[in-house]
This record gives sequence, structure tokens and C-alpha cells, in this order.
Amino acid sequence: GQNIDQPTEMTATEGAIVQINCTYQTSGFNGLFWYQQHAGEAPTFLSYNVLDGLEEKGRFSSFLSRSKGYSYLLLKELQMKDSASYLCAVMDSNYQLIWGAGTKLIIKP
Amino acid sequence: DTAVSQTPKYLVTQMGNDKSIKCEQNLGHDTMYWYKQDSKKFLKIMFSYNNKELIINETVPNRFSPKSPDKAHLNLHINSLELGDSAVYFCASSRSGGEVFQETQYFGPGTRLLVL
Repeated sequence: GQNIDQPTEMTATEGAIVQINCTYQTSGFNGLFWYQQHAGEAPTFLSYNVLDGLEEKGRFSSFLSRSKGYSYLLLKELQMKDSASYLCAVMDSNYQLIWGAGTKLIIKP
Repeated sequence: DTAVSQTPKYLVTQMGNDKSIKCEQNLGHDTMYWYKQDSKKFLKIMFSYNNKELIINETVPNRFSPKSPDKAHLNLHINSLELGDSAVYFCASSRSGGEVFQETQYFGPGTRLLVL
């Protein structure tokens, strides 16, 4: 079967750095997405990785290792508004997105 | 301007009723989706339409029937609502059917359905 694993919840301090991991087992791979979802709102796109390595976009970076079936989202200089769920999703060989359950990130002052 | 809009935002109804949720996108995208997000926060694909044609139909009860009058609209009709249908339903759209790298899906605000 297809499987996306992420931690259920993480806590971090304002101004700090946090890394959210995602491991996956899917039938085929056409890229990995990270989405942010604030409580009661729609998911919004953060990043896309299809090649191994690190993609940096401002305070957020995303890393992919296809051989290990592993990705992480790195958030720097955390702000209170970063409190949200972070969803990892993999596009499989049928170009369908397989979603993880999301990691709820709690930021404390 | 809202890129992907859904109505209604909240829907509370009795078991056994029939209801519809509407979705519209003004992004000029070819592909639209319906997702169900349950209490455990998993997003599950239900349907996908590309240029008004059904391309994904996951194992969803046939009480759920999508209709796409044109490529900017994808409505979801649900017959004989059950308690287990209570969830948040998200509509999304993407430029094509996903066979393009960096194929981002844009989500609507969600419809919170509560079946009593």
C-alpha cells in the first residue's frame, strides 16, 4: 500500500528553527509537496521537490532524498503565525497526490 | 478575487437528506478535484475532472455524484446523507492533470458538513 508518515505534533519556540520530517512509500514518484494548513482554512502550497537536494524559499526550505523515501521541511526564525499543520504529499505514478495526516506545529513565545 | 470558491461554507443537515456543494475556479485551470478531510485530518481524493471529463473516481459511495457543467465548475451532490459523511470537503484545481512538474493544486476554503 501507499504510506506517508509524519509526526503528529511538534512544539517549538518563537525565533527558533524546526525540522518536520516526512517518509513515504508510494507506487511511483512524481514529486513531493509541502502544504501549510491553518486551523479551519484550506491548505496552501509551500514547496515542491522532485530532485534530490535542498530547495530554499525564504525562511522555509525543503529537502528530498528519493533513495531514502525521505523529505523534511525546515522552518527558520519561527513566528507565531507559523503555528499550523504542515502536510506532506507525494504525487504517485498515476499523478495522484497521496497525503500525509499532517504535523501540527505549535509555536510558543 | 477568490481563486477557488465553494458554497456553502457550512452545511448542517439531517440524515437521509440530499445536499449539493458548489465549486468554481477563476484560474483558467483544466483540472478540478474534490477531497474529503476527516476528523483525523487525512485529505482523501474523491474525484478529479479534467476539462469536464472524469479522470479519477476513488472508492466513494455512489451516493456521491460529481457534476462538471464546464471546466470552471465542479459540483458535488450527495444523496441520502449519513452520519459518516460529516467532514470538511475541499475543492481544488490545477492547471493540468498533474502530468507537469510543479503541478500545484489550489484549494477552496472548504465546506464543513455536519450530518445530524
